[in-house]
Amino acid sequence: GQQLNQSPQSMFIQEGEDVSMNCTSSSIFNTWLWYKQDPGEGPVLLIALYKAGELTSNGRLTAQFGITRKDSFLNISASIPSDVGIYFCAGFSSNTGKLIFGQGTTLQVKP
Amino acid sequence: NAGVTQTPKFQVLKTGQSMTLQCAQDMNHNSMYWYRQDPGMGLRLIYYSASEGTTDKGEVPNGYNVSRLNKREFSLRLESAAPSQTSVYFCASSEVVRGSSNSPLHFGNGTRLTVT
Repeated sequence: GQQLNQSPQSMFIQEGEDVSMNCTSSSIFNTWLWYKQDPGEGPVLLIALYKAGELTSNGRLTAQFGITRKDSFLNISASIPSDVGIYFCAGFSSNTGKLIFGQGTTLQVKP
Repeated sequence: NAGVTQTPKFQVLKTGQSMTLQCAQDMNHNSMYWYRQDPGMGLRLIYYSASEGTTDKGEVPNGYNVSRLNKREFSLRLESAAPSQTSVYFCASSEVVRGSSNSPLHFGNGTRLTVT
């Protein structure tokens, strides 16, 4: 079945550093979503991508929908302590009607 | 604006006990979902309800049942809890089924369930 490989699994960085994480799949997706989960809470949508090649920013966050439609990345610039949490990618396929989540990237930021 | 509300927040069960996780949304969304989150496995869909009156199995439905009580409420029942069901359970809702293009999922804050 469809699977998403999200990497890295975890990151421990210094405040102010930039962060990059990505999701790849052997399957094509029509929509890519990036969520953030704060400790003890549910995931919250950060960015939604609807077209291959699309590059979208939300403050210090930038995400891209890969040209092949099989991958997406999320960048966080100038990280701050409140960026701590688990970041999930999710891909939606209109062919299967399924929304698949990646395994998550746990981000820790050292002040 | 509450969004998606889940109760309880925490629960400890003994093997074989039953319980129902409650979920309600106030966004007038048509579709509702139950996911479980386990370390290193992301979010896996248990059951979903595309609209009031319908329910369908997701990836990991075994050991669970659901009820779409009305448009607002979608409950998840464990009839005979097992240690393998220890997890964090999330309810979510969206405008249309499966979080398609114009309707990403909105999640509740989760129920942390431990089965001993």
